[in-house]
Amino acid sequence: EADIYQTPRYLVIGTGKKITLECSQTMGHDKMYWYQQDPGMELHLIHYSYGVNSTEKGDLSSESTVSRIRTEHFPLTLESARPSHTSQYLCASSEQITDTQYFGPGTRLTVL
Amino acid sequence: GDSVTQMEGPVTLSEEAFLTINCTYTATGYPSLFWYVQYPGEGLQLLLKATKADDKGSNKGFEATYRKETTSFHLDKGSVQVSDSAVYFCALDDYKLSFGAGTTVTVRA
Repeated sequence: EADIYQTPRYLVIGTGKKITLECSQTMGHDKMYWYQQDPGMELHLIHYSYGVNSTEKGDLSSESTVSRIRTEHFPLTLESARPSHTSQYLCASSEQITDTQYFGPGTRLTVL
Repeated sequence: GDSVTQMEGPVTLSEEAFLTINCTYTATGYPSLFWYVQYPGEGLQLLLKATKADDKGSNKGFEATYRKETTSFHLDKGSVQVSDSAVYFCALDDYKLSFGAGTTVTVRA
């Protein structure tokens, strides 16, 4: 069983608020990822990290930012949420780049 | 770039029916291929994978064979159950994971 956690599971906030979505894993994986999943269920990579102090933007442009100060923790921040940010956000980790990715349960964000 | 094309859904089946979800890929290298499953309200879970041509991945009655000649990795299950209702994603991993659009499968009792 994969040990990767995301909080909160559901979040409803107003426009303009700053939010941080938490992601933690206890597997010691170096590689971590954030995906945005749209209502049609397609997944888009928005950020990834190959290790501490490493962060890269993914395929889909996102106004969010990430940090990787500790191996186990990979939070995603939106400085000023907008309704267009409404989506499900999935965090994942893997030991190597080509290894199986383990996913957290996701955070469903609604911005009013 | 690398990409995955997956059969569009939704797919609705009766219990004990045969399920096939088509998946084809485009890649410049020799990627690993995966099927992930997402149950309602949850994140994705690895269902099966294959790392080289002619490998067969299998799990929970699902099977998929890595076919390099047809660049395909179709998912099959001989007899589905209601508990198989989920969204299924085909993915390839060359240096990063690329997902197909997902296929929603609903199995009716």
